[in-house]
Amino acid sequence: EIVLTQSPTTMAASPGEKVTITCRASSSVSYMYWYQQKSGASPKPWIYETSKLASGVPDRFSGSGSGTSYSFTISSMETEDAATYYCHQWSSTPPTFGGGTKLELK
Amino acid sequence: EVQLVETGGGLVQPGRSLKLSCVASGFTFSSYWMYWIRQAPGKGLEWVSSINTDGGSTYYPDSVKGRFTISRDNAENTVYLQMNSLRSEDTATYYCAKDGSTEGIPFDYWGQGVMVTVSS
Repeated sequence: EIVLTQSPTTMAASPGEKVTITCRASSSVSYMYWYQQKSGASPKPWIYETSKLASGVPDRFSGSGSGTSYSFTISSMETEDAATYYCHQWSSTPPTFGGGTKLELK
Repeated sequence: EVQLVETGGGLVQPGRSLKLSCVASGFTFSSYWMYWIRQAPGKGLEWVSSINTDGGSTYYPDSVKGRFTISRDNAENTVYLQMNSLRSEDTATYYCAKDGSTEGIPFDYWGQGVMVTVSS
């Protein structure tokens, strides 16, 4: 099973601040996926195939990486971005998720 | 508009059974794999099961293998999760999700989730 380790687990950012979340895989994966989950809601696809934005996702979001190291970036934090973000891989079965990064507004 | 609506959750004693349902609409249900994913309170996401388009192939992680069974009724646009021999660690919100891999997104639509609490 591929273990995904996200860091940080929690963070706070001010409006306009740049945010970076990392996700490290225990083995190499072909792509990384990211989901956004707001409190009390179900997860939504946010970034797919490492760097592609899901429908409706603002272009201040981006993703990058390869092999075992991936990152998720918000170029300029906005109020609506406060949420928990999960990385996800399905390069091998079972599909696994990172533990999540809770992003709060400072 | 794609909609996934889960039902069947509730409070159940350890060792007992529960069956979840997920009714789908807004897409050609019989053409897509379907999944169940769960989230323990305050915790992360865990894949629970997968089923192919005709229901002939199913997959589970070791944590539920032999206890949970996924099935589907394409005539009723419904996917089920039969959960037997429930344990306290099965307490979670259970989501059904639609496959979106043809568009590059493993789980492209999720239901609102249904809570399962296993406790005496």
